[in-house]
Amino acid sequence: EPEVTQTPSHQVTQMGQEVILRCVPISNHLYFYWYRQILGQKVEFLVSFYNNEISEKSEIFDDQFSVERPDGSNFTLKIRSTKLEDSAMYFCASNPGLVNYEQFFGPGTRLTVL
Amino acid sequence: AQSVSQHNHHVILSEAASLELGCNYSYGGTVNLFWYVQYPGQHLQLLLKYFSGDPLVKGIKGFEAEFIKSKFSFNLRKPSVQWSDTAEYFCAVNARGGYSTLTFGKGTMLLVSP
Repeated sequence: EPEVTQTPSHQVTQMGQEVILRCVPISNHLYFYWYRQILGQKVEFLVSFYNNEISEKSEIFDDQFSVERPDGSNFTLKIRSTKLEDSAMYFCASNPGLVNYEQFFGPGTRLTVL
Repeated sequence: AQSVSQHNHHVILSEAASLELGCNYSYGGTVNLFWYVQYPGQHLQLLLKYFSGDPLVKGIKGFEAEFIKSKFSFNLRKPSVQWSDTAEYFCAVNARGGYSTLTFGKGTMLLVSP
């Protein structure tokens, strides 16, 4: 069964450094998402991406964040200058864009900012 | 804006006990409803979903949920839990169109003792 994959599984970085989290959505899916879950808190929406552009973003997704689909398979989230409060589990998801289909989630990348 | 409320943050049950996890949502329009499960160290997996039709939805692993529109609720049930059901359970909603942004509840951590 096709799955969303994410790399790395765990990323440790110093405050102020740039990080890129990578995702490979399910082939033929059209919508892509990033969510995050700070430890002990709920899963929060960051951004959705469709037709090579951002379709929706939350207030969390400020100028330090960016997303890109550099080729036909990868979907990346870049955090330009990490802060301690960016430490969280980041989930990528994809959706086929068909009626009555759910979002399929990847295993997540645990980002630790020191 | 949508919001989701899960009433229990932690639930402890013995094996064979019955389970009901509460979920209420707030949204002015038609919604899709989901329960996701996150087993320890694993990614979010879909348990069940409601888009339309029969308000009693059956999912994987013996779980079911009932959509009660008048109560804005979508409670998750299982008649007899197993130790392997130990996990965190998330209720989520989005607006019509399964590809729209998901709003999650805070999650309920279920611990089943053998």
